[in-house]
Amino acid sequence: DAKTTQPPSMDCAEGRAANLPCNHSTISGNEYVYWYRQIHSQGPQYIIHGLKNNETNEMASLIITEDRKSSTLILPHATLRDTAVYYCIVRVGQGGSEKLVFGKGMKLTVNP
Amino acid sequence: NAGVTQTPKFQVLKTGQSMTLQCAQDMNHEYMSWYRQDPGMGLRLIHYSVGAGITDQGEVPNGYNVSRSTTEDFPLRLLSAAPSQTSVYFCASSYSIAAKNIQYFGAGTRLSVL
Repeated sequence: DAKTTQPPSMDCAEGRAANLPCNHSTISGNEYVYWYRQIHSQGPQYIIHGLKNNETNEMASLIITEDRKSSTLILPHATLRDTAVYYCIVRVGQGGSEKLVFGKGMKLTVNP
Repeated sequence: NAGVTQTPKFQVLKTGQSMTLQCAQDMNHEYMSWYRQDPGMGLRLIHYSVGAGITDQGEVPNGYNVSRSTTEDFPLRLLSAAPSQTSVYFCASSYSIAAKNIQYFGAGTRLSVL
């Protein structure tokens, strides 16, 4: 799995868009970008994933650069409940190892 | 639709005791797995199953047993608890082995071994 780099933390004001960056400069052509988050004391929660096109679902949008070396998770209207550790993970779409490697992630704090 | 349900939520054991952590999912998912999460260590895979009757070891299987007699249930057994097994345990499931990168996690079991 390609290595990802995220800033350790960021703050966002409630109601504003939260843009969470992730670098994955060694990503290969068959690897997808997955985002999970872990709210304090809870199990990780899948958010979204993508290969090269931008993706949107009810939780978030995922913007992947054309060269696929970086991506941004966008929470369009952050709420206090979005405070969590966010993990950017790069994985092959199928096959590959069984283990999801969450790394250190990035702590997002949404402030009132 | 409850998703992935783990019981108990909290447990305290004495060294040498055995117990079973329960995990059940109601989504008809083929793939299930058990992780433990320790401070500073991230999530580590203990065991996983690609379907009823099929299990395999993850990266930290020692001291744990699993079985998968039904699609819905994937219990984790601690054979003889040790203080090193103090951790938060998460069960997860996904639709299929092909979709194993999209996993749905339970709320966790917080285990302390004294």
